[in-house]
Amino acid sequence: DQQVKQNSPSLSVQEGRISILNCDYTNSMFDYFLWYKKYPAEGPTFLISISSIKDKNEDGRFTVFLNKSAKHLSLHIVPSQPGDSAVYFCAASAYRGYQKVTFGTGTKLQVIP
Amino acid sequence: GAGVSQSPSNKVTEKGKDVELRCDPISGHTALYWYRQSLGQGLEFLIYFQGNSAPDKSGLPSDRFSAERTGGSVSTLTIQRTQQEDSAVYLCASSLALTGAAELFFGSGTQLSVL
Repeated sequence: DQQVKQNSPSLSVQEGRISILNCDYTNSMFDYFLWYKKYPAEGPTFLISISSIKDKNEDGRFTVFLNKSAKHLSLHIVPSQPGDSAVYFCAASAYRGYQKVTFGTGTKLQVIP
Repeated sequence: GAGVSQSPSNKVTEKGKDVELRCDPISGHTALYWYRQSLGQGLEFLIYFQGNSAPDKSGLPSDRFSAERTGGSVSTLTIQRTQQEDSAVYLCASSLALTGAAELFFGSGTQLSVL
């Protein structure tokens, strides 16, 4: 049962353009959503998060949008840079005595110079 | 070091052998997680520790998998009688937070290959 889904395994974008990565979830108990970025041979690193009480959170070139009614979130990167090329994981957490974090399958982003 | 440290970084073993994977979390982080990533798959939750106890072991795929944590710090994930389907990257993460934004800090992982 995949509770967090990233339906696009890969995405290619020209440098300077907007990258939009999408994520869908099924569990309405999730109350926090996060994006992680992973380079080859490294562990994932935290990028940005959003609480379920918000619909948007910005941090520099990165913005996360949450649509609770659609159980959908997206990560916008603008402008995209070659260094943004990585695998992006969507994650969601629900408090079950602790914050249990469930990850999606990842989207590999390639930013073409 | 300031980050999460995992060892070994690579492990090649023969089917049927036991392996031990080690994780040194960030000092002071009471929460510790093990995940694994199989080829082409997402991050699969294995086990969660709070201090030395493991209140959530629901992700361990079989009784061949076990983990412990000592002194509220170092954790060891043990896989007995390894099988080829155990081949994956095993990732350890630690966290300060019990509630709210659950930012996890990951190590670089152990690439396990079972021949």
